[in-house]
Amino acid sequence: RKEVEQDPGPFNVPEGATVAFNCTYSNSASQSFFWYRQDCRKEPKLLMSVYSSGNEDGRFTAQLNRASQYISLLIRDSKLSDSATYLCVVTPFSGGYNKLIFGAGTRLAVHP
Amino acid sequence: ETGVTQSPTHLIKTRGQQVTLRCSSQSGHNTVSWYQQALGQGPQFIFQYYREEENGRGNFPPRFSGLQFPNYSSELNVNALELDDSALYLCASSLVPLQVRADTQYFGPGTRLTVL
Repeated sequence: RKEVEQDPGPFNVPEGATVAFNCTYSNSASQSFFWYRQDCRKEPKLLMSVYSSGNEDGRFTAQLNRASQYISLLIRDSKLSDSATYLCVVTPFSGGYNKLIFGAGTRLAVHP
Repeated sequence: ETGVTQSPTHLIKTRGQQVTLRCSSQSGHNTVSWYQQALGQGPQFIFQYYREEENGRGNFPPRFSGLQFPNYSSELNVNALELDDSALYLCASSLVPLQVRADTQYFGPGTRLTVL
C-alpha cells in the first residue's frame, strides 16, 4: 500500500466549477500535511498547509481528519490558471529528520 | 523564484554511465534534500544533507550518493545508470532539517535526466 494515495484524475471541469480532491495516508504518526501545486515540467510549489481545524486561503480550503487519515482540498470558482497537478504531501517523523512524502498527484484541467 | 538553482537543466546519458547533478541552496539554508520524480509520479525522497553530512536516506540503492559542501551547495551522483533512472531530479533547501517546520522547504527547478 502506498504511503499517500490520491485519485490520479484527470478532473476536467469548466471555469467557475467547484472541485474537491481527496487524499489518504497510511502512517498514523504523520506530523505535518500539505498541498503542493505542480505545473507541467516545473517544480512543486507549496499551495497551503493543512490543519485539523481546517484552513482557507481565498478560493482554496484544506481539511485534515486525523482519525480517518484523510486530507482534502476544495477549490471554488475554478480558474483556467488552476490547471495543474495537485500533490498531497505528509511528513512522518523519521527519528532525526523529516522528509516530504508525496502522493502521485491529481491532475486538474479547467476549460472555458 | 525560490533562490534554489540546479544544473544542468537537461541531461542525456546512456546506460552504465555516471552523472553528477548540482544544487545551490537558498542563501542561509544549511539543509538540502534530493528527490526523484518519475513521469506520472510524485517526487520520492532520495536523501538529505545537513551541515555536510547525510542526515537521512530513502529507499534508493548505494549507487545514488551525494555530497554537501561548506557553502551548503550539494551534488547528487548516480553511478551505473539504468533506464529507470530517467526522471526529474529535484533538490530542496531548508533552514533546518525539517524537524521544526516542514513547510519551509524550497524546491529548485529540477534537472531532467534521460537515460538511453
